[in-house]
Amino acid sequence: NAGVTQTPKFQVLKTGQSMTLQCAQDMNHNSMYWYRQDPGMGLRLIYYSASEGTTDKGEVPNGYNVSRLNKREFSLRLESAAPSQTSVYFCASKWNPGQDTDTQYFGPGTRLTVL
Amino acid sequence: QKEVEQNSGPLSVPEGAIASLNCTYSDRGSQSFFWYRQYSGKSPELIMFIYSNGDKEDGRFTAQLNKASQYVSLLIRDSQPSDSATYLCAVSSNSGYALNFGKGTSLLVTP
Repeated sequence: NAGVTQTPKFQVLKTGQSMTLQCAQDMNHNSMYWYRQDPGMGLRLIYYSASEGTTDKGEVPNGYNVSRLNKREFSLRLESAAPSQTSVYFCASKWNPGQDTDTQYFGPGTRLTVL
Repeated sequence: QKEVEQNSGPLSVPEGAIASLNCTYSDRGSQSFFWYRQYSGKSPELIMFIYSNGDKEDGRFTAQLNKASQYVSLLIRDSQPSDSATYLCAVSSNSGYALNFGKGTSLLVTP
């Protein structure tokens, strides 16, 4: 049971390049989330998917798109990377989308640098 | 924007002492509150959650919630150097789907 996995672990892009961050969970969770974490800013929600087939914007969605490929996988795409998107990206998942006492479990993170 | 406020620290305590970490939140409708620990370069991991007013204990950790004052705290008894990390307070949104995180408090436990 690997929990939440993310690929790649590290990535360097040039401004304007595109890339997709991959996330998968093997816990049969229904909800999945993408956060970014910047120094002094805490964790900010980019997009989430409450259940397979649905996605919704979070606090900072601009410049990103997401795809809930199936119940296990939730990808985050940067179409045209900008230096402001340099950050650590975390994927998370939880079992019950509407249960607010349910715990979110985090993946190991992707460290992205945009030059 | 729902606010979750934490003192950024660093909070420095000697080994064996009690560390007290505090968090305030702005959304009175919030029902559940989580404390995550994050070591440098690692992902957040859940320490405990609380959703009823009062205290909840788990080993050396005690979470305290006061919804009237919109205040949640985490006490770490017998602090160890291995407790040195950033502690994130997270508050559930009204929908239950998402969490709003504070910026975290850096804790340093000195031998």
